[in-house]
Amino acid sequence: QVQLQESGPGLVKPSETLSLTCTVSGASISSYYWSCIRQPPEKGLEWIGYIHHSGSAYYNPSLKSRVSISIDTLKNQFSLMLHSVTAADTAVYYCARLGVGGIGGYYYYYMDVWGKGTTVTVSS
Amino acid sequence: SSELTQDPAVSVALGQTVRITCQGDSLRNHYATWYQQKPGQAPLLVIYAKNNRPSGIPDRFSGSSSGNTASLTITGAQAEDEADYYCNSRDSSGNHLVFGGGTKLTVL
Repeated sequence: QVQLQESGPGLVKPSETLSLTCTVSGASISSYYWSCIRQPPEKGLEWIGYIHHSGSAYYNPSLKSRVSISIDTLKNQFSLMLHSVTAADTAVYYCARLGVGGIGGYYYYYMDVWGKGTTVTVSS
Repeated sequence: SSELTQDPAVSVALGQTVRITCQGDSLRNHYATWYQQKPGQAPLLVIYAKNNRPSGIPDRFSGSSSGNTASLTITGAQAEDEADYYCNSRDSSGNHLVFGGGTKLTVL
């Protein structure tokens, strides 16, 4: 059974860097894509970015200047870094496995395994 | 602003059928994926690739698509289906994903 576990700092000071690690168990990270999502309090889901085991990564344009996702195949982990955080970055952060496919010229993306999420608060 | 538009709230009587919609230009070329989220829980995949259900998802959940609109239909809604539902797809400009704003489903 594939499981993802997020680990993060819980509290980050404004202007500092948020670092989050997602540990994958039950599957090799050298398959699929891996995604990061967040959800501010009482708000909807926001896609942050995703990474392929090859290292290719794509980011939400609204966060692109501040975010990076990296992958460590030896540790079966991937990591999120979000720089220069503000209170607006306070959210529950999730990791998820991302599948990609196509049918008849239509592409589809699906996140079928999610971590439980970790709450990150930005405050001094 | 989200490129995928959902109604903020929808209600359905117990046992009746409800359709939750998601609109966006990218849906003309990419299938929507649907997630269910209950309070305090991580999202759960319910429909992908237009109308495929992961193992364990009841067959009362189905998906469809026409033009720029994707739909999630729950046939015979149950009390446990009360949740927030989010659509998700690739955006229209590149290799990016986007979520709809979410629909809060109330089962009466």
